Amino acid sequence: GAGVSQSPSNKVTEKGKDVELRCDPISGHTALYWYRQRLGQGLEFLIYFQGNSAPDKSGLPSDRFSAERTGESVSTLTIQRTQQEDSAVYLCASSLVSLGEQYFGPGTRLTVT
Amino acid sequence: AQSVSQHNHHVILSEAASLELGCNYSYGGTVNLFWYVQYPGQHLQLLLKYFSGDPLVKGIKGFEAEFIKSKFSFNLRKPSVQWSDTAEYFCAVNGGRQAGTALIFGKGTTLSVSS
Repeated sequence: GAGVSQSPSNKVTEKGKDVELRCDPISGHTALYWYRQRLGQGLEFLIYFQGNSAPDKSGLPSDRFSAERTGESVSTLTIQRTQQEDSAVYLCASSLVSLGEQYFGPGTRLTVT
Repeated sequence: AQSVSQHNHHVILSEAASLELGCNYSYGGTVNLFWYVQYPGQHLQLLLKYFSGDPLVKGIKGFEAEFIKSKFSFNLRKPSVQWSDTAEYFCAVNGGRQAGTALIFGKGTTLSVSS
């Protein structure tokens, strides 16, 4: 079966513009996570979806960041009014159950100019 | 503060040398521990994991890791590295009283293996 997919693979945007990043998790995986990896840093947790429960948004760095997930399928991460410090690789992961093994997508490299 | 620490930022080895990458975490309670690897140009892949049971776990490509609860450590080892092991290695933890469900990652160790 297919792994986690993300689109676009690369995104260059001007400071102040909004961007949307998409994640397609592995079919049947109930848990979906967004992480961010800035240059020279480890991965930072952003947000977590589990089934129909309210998402855990504790990792979102500001109110410019938001995410949605439709049921147990696609998720979209939106960054409004992008800033240069938002430049990073945004990674999506899914797992069959919470606390289970997480499978990562290839990431979206976001560059804010 | 709760954290995952990887002691080595960049490790350079010759082929056939032995490898040990350190990882310590600071979370209380029962945690799940992982090592992920990112080969050049590829996405993160799971190398091995520890949930419970035998504290010595074996993963893919000859890697193993030992969970030492008293030291809050989960060091990665390989007896003889190959050029193809050149990659970035991340230790991660979830579960426990403070870590929650999302993975908390160390900052990564870059391994360069010369042939």
